[in-house]
Amino acid sequence: TAGITQAPTSQILAAGRSMTLRCTQDMRHNAMYWYRQDLGLGLRLIHYSNTAGTTGKGEVPDGYSVSRANTDDFPLTLASAVPSQTSVYFCASSEQGWNTEAFFGQGTRLTVV
Amino acid sequence: QKEVEQDPGPLSVPEGAIVSLNCTYSNSAFQYFMWYRQYSRKGPELLMYTYSSGNKEDGRFTAQVDKSSKYISLFIRDSQPSDSATYLCAMTWYNNNDMRFGAGTRLTVKP
Repeated sequence: TAGITQAPTSQILAAGRSMTLRCTQDMRHNAMYWYRQDLGLGLRLIHYSNTAGTTGKGEVPDGYSVSRANTDDFPLTLASAVPSQTSVYFCASSEQGWNTEAFFGQGTRLTVV
Repeated sequence: QKEVEQDPGPLSVPEGAIVSLNCTYSNSAFQYFMWYRQYSRKGPELLMYTYSSGNKEDGRFTAQVDKSSKYISLFIRDSQPSDSATYLCAMTWYNNNDMRFGAGTRLTVKP
């Protein structure tokens, strides 16, 4: 079972460029999330979606946008990357919009130079 | 002050030792307390969760929550090298999308 697939696995991006991180799940979960993980800060929620067609802001949404056109896909876009967005990005999903168990992808390591 | 505090370690123990991992928190609204395990270069995976105060046991793992002290613990008995990972505490309340994570404690169990 694939679960959650993220692409790319890693990327070096020039500051000012845009980029979309892809996330696809095959578990038919209603809710999906984007987190960033930074040393010493743990995982912080960027955006979430409780169901297809709806999105919401998490703890650190600035500089990021998301869309949820269907159940399976939840892309994260950086419109104009800055070095502070260098991080490991994790996509996750859960059965419902609130759940104690979130299933995570393998992560995308992004370096903005 | 961060909402969830967790000592990042690193923590190194010999095989067979009892490991104690801890988090403190400041938001009294938290009701659900989780422990996630994250292997190197992988995504976190849920290990255990506990509702409100009390203990929960699952094999070699025991989770404890003390809401009066705003303190949670994860104990690992008879630790194995395969337990070497980063352990993240997480907490939330009913109907809240924004689960808050600790920074994670890196554990190494040496054979």
